[in-house]
Amino acid sequence: GQQLNQSPQSMFIQEGEDVSMNCTSSSIFNTWLWYKQDPGEGPVLLIALYKAGELTSNGRLTAQFGITRKDSFLNISASIPSDVGIYFCAGQGSAGNNRKLIWGLGTSLAVNP
Amino acid sequence: SAVISQKPSRDICQRGTSLTIQCQVDSQVTMMFWYRQQPGQSLTLIATANQGSEATYESGFVIDKFPISRPNLTFSTLTVSNMSPEDSSIYLCSVEALNYGYTFGSGTRLTVV
Repeated sequence: GQQLNQSPQSMFIQEGEDVSMNCTSSSIFNTWLWYKQDPGEGPVLLIALYKAGELTSNGRLTAQFGITRKDSFLNISASIPSDVGIYFCAGQGSAGNNRKLIWGLGTSLAVNP
Repeated sequence: SAVISQKPSRDICQRGTSLTIQCQVDSQVTMMFWYRQQPGQSLTLIATANQGSEATYESGFVIDKFPISRPNLTFSTLTVSNMSPEDSSIYLCSVEALNYGYTFGSGTRLTVV
């Protein structure tokens, strides 16, 4: 099925560094979602974006819905060890079959204390 | 957001047997979904569980292999039938809640031996 292009695939950073990851699509979306998945758990919603150009923060996390509606990025500032996990983006269209979530392949983040 | 209880959290099953996974939500939700996540992979939608009618399956998934029940607005089950080692995955229940995007259960880690 359709998937989003999510990059980078993995990151290994030092504690305190900032992190940036992004997703792009060939399709236009009405909603962008960013999730984090810890080992042995289901994905947990971090940020939801509903409007082109929207910039939303959740603590040290900031995400933006691209103006073209075909991309989104997630930034994490001042990383800490508990930021370790896999981050997924997901896009959603407007109606009918397009409302199914389309998922990125994930960005695996490792933080060196 | 909705709270999801998914059982069992993990199981090891013999090939040829079946396993039923339960998903209980603490509030009534319209949309419930079942996903599969193979090791190191992103999420793949299996089907949408429809209350009072047959589930809607995605391409590559069939009712005989993955029968789904949805007797009410807070509960659903997914059965993985006639299991083979290729069915070893994490199975996730998800619901869509207004203004909260999609919430996931903690998943069922299935190993088929």
